Amino acid sequence: AQKITQTQPGMFVQEKEAVTLDCTYDTSDPSYGLFWYKQPSSGEMIFLIYQGSYDQQNATEGRYSLNFQKARKSANLVISASQLGDSAMYFCAMREESFQKLVFGTGTRLLVSP
Amino acid sequence: DGGITQSPKYLFRKEGQNVTLSCEQNLNHDAMYWYRQDPGQGLRLIYYSQIVNDFQKGDIAEGYSVSREKKESFPLTVTSAQKNPTAFYLCASSTPDRGLNTEAFFGQGTRLTVV
Repeated sequence: AQKITQTQPGMFVQEKEAVTLDCTYDTSDPSYGLFWYKQPSSGEMIFLIYQGSYDQQNATEGRYSLNFQKARKSANLVISASQLGDSAMYFCAMREESFQKLVFGTGTRLLVSP
Repeated sequence: DGGITQSPKYLFRKEGQNVTLSCEQNLNHDAMYWYRQDPGQGLRLIYYSQIVNDFQKGDIAEGYSVSREKKESFPLTVTSAQKNPTAFYLCASSTPDRGLNTEAFFGQGTRLTVV
């Protein structure tokens, strides 16, 4: 069964600094996709970045990058130059090609301080 | 505009009552999902559907039921068998037929409270 683990319940970072949010996953399917979402206090889910299991390069989207280490089954999100508006919950998720279920981790609450 | 609409935004239910949460999408997506989120917790998958007239149980399906009679609609019924239904419910959709590189789009959520 697929599983996503986010071991950091909360993270603190100062404005303009970089922060890494950890995500490890477990799957036996060779083909899968990894996603990161942001959830502000309003509750909406905002898609940030995607990484495919066969992608050779780490994904990047603006200030977001994904540190993908396939052998270690980790897909950490790196946010560069943190902003106050980055304060939110962040969720890692995975979809396996064989089942198409989209499964989420428990999330990390990020707080950016001035 | 294309998107996913969940209604109502807030819902109050008396104990022992069934209640149905609506989820409609006009994105022409084949796959739809229902998640439950408890305060400070992650999203847990209740049910998902990859195609009309077909759906599968997720990790916490007990006490819930769904139907998928139309591509656009995936309503979730919270039955009286669900012992602790107070939570935030999120509906999502995606297009898995275009490969894994398609993110799920989410509705704004329904906050259900048992009174």
